[in-house]
Amino acid sequence: RKEVEQDPGPFNVPEGATVAFNCTYSNSASQSFFWYRQDCRKEPKLLMSVYSSGNEDGRFTAQLNRASQYISLLIRDSKLSDSATYLCVMNSRTSGGGADGLTFGKGTHLIIQP
Amino acid sequence: DGGITQSPKYLFRKEGQNVTLSCEQNLNHDAMYWYRQDPGQGLRLIYYSQIVNDFQKGDIAEGYSVSREKKESFPLTVTSAQKNPTAFYLCASSIGGDIYGYTFGSGTRLTVV
Repeated sequence: RKEVEQDPGPFNVPEGATVAFNCTYSNSASQSFFWYRQDCRKEPKLLMSVYSSGNEDGRFTAQLNRASQYISLLIRDSKLSDSATYLCVMNSRTSGGGADGLTFGKGTHLIIQP
Repeated sequence: DGGITQSPKYLFRKEGQNVTLSCEQNLNHDAMYWYRQDPGQGLRLIYYSQIVNDFQKGDIAEGYSVSREKKESFPLTVTSAQKNPTAFYLCASSIGGDIYGYTFGSGTRLTVV
């Protein structure tokens, strides 16, 4: 099983709609979870951290489900500018220490259509 | 403004040449990282450094080398031993560890000609 799995898409969504992505992970020792946004040929930018209680930032809501080992991102009232690739990210440190570094999913490509 | 700067933005390398990619940050971050991204692929960790004068191999370190002589700087050398160096290289930094996420530079696109 891959460490981080995302549906690559593309998700074609009309402007104003609500869209949700899920991401599953295999390392139960992961402690930190994030969603990053990456525009074409640009660097990834942190969109939001993901907490167990769930968190919301404007039109974006992130949820963590540790029991089922997935995180989700919900985008409400989608805008044309939301078109991008969304990367699911988590730390890969094992419970006994080990390699540092975040593990990045391959991303879900979102296209908002006018 | 604080940030992380990578240069050059585009780099062309001939077969058999070594090239060095620059990464500088003024965020006072202790940890710095180098990732490689290929089309349709996720980011893969090349090297990382948590403190000056110390660095560790990531998942795909073969054919690459780094140094960390200053807190602000973490250059990456792509050696001739790297068989498929054409890729998008991203440098990142963090306060320490990974609980706050990383800040990325704008990347260097390396092409072998």
